[in-house]
Amino acid sequence: AQTVTQSQPEMSVQEAETVTLSCTYDTSENNYYLFWYKQPPSRQMILVIRQEAYKQQNATENRFSVNFQKAAKSFSLKISDSQLGDTAMYFCAFIRPNIQGAQKLVFGQGTRLTINP
Amino acid sequence: GAGVSQSPSNKVTEKGKDVELRCDPISGHTALYWYRQRLGQGLEFLIYFQGNSAPDKSGLPSDRFSAERTGESVSTLTIQRTQQEDSAVYLCASSIAHSDRAFYEQYFGPGTRLTVT
Repeated sequence: AQTVTQSQPEMSVQEAETVTLSCTYDTSENNYYLFWYKQPPSRQMILVIRQEAYKQQNATENRFSVNFQKAAKSFSLKISDSQLGDTAMYFCAFIRPNIQGAQKLVFGQGTRLTINP
Repeated sequence: GAGVSQSPSNKVTEKGKDVELRCDPISGHTALYWYRQRLGQGLEFLIYFQGNSAPDKSGLPSDRFSAERTGESVSTLTIQRTQQEDSAVYLCASSIAHSDRAFYEQYFGPGTRLTVT
């Protein structure tokens, strides 16, 4: 079974600083997808960024980037120039592809990130 | 277009009562997922439906939990004889699901907060 571990329950940084959230996972699969989701107080889950395991290049989306280390099974999220609106719970998640195209997400426990003015 | 909607937004019930939670997926999405999020925790997979295939019920925690889906539309999650440990946010997500691709993004609803007193 796949597991996802986020070892930082809470983090806090000043606005405009860079912050890195950690995630490790365990799987015997070779092909899979990894994600970072953001959950603000509204409870809405928002996909921030995704990484396909067969791609060596780290994914980037504007201020968000990942450091994907497949051998180490590590998938960290870096937020540059942090903004007050980045305050939220962040979840790391894993999916094993399914030939039918539907898959269940496996989530970590989350990191509560607070950006201070 | 409309996103995934869930009703009710909040539900308070007494221990031992049955509850029904509703999810309206995005039109055209063939896959529908239910997840549970306990306070301060990550999301746990409960069940997913995809087209006419048998649902994957592997995440349902007990036989008090059941779910139905009518065609490719509305789904209802039913919890019978509710217990205090059932208190959580129940999130629904939907996605396209087709064998021509390994992954389709899951779009989440705002969730139903269930409180069992």
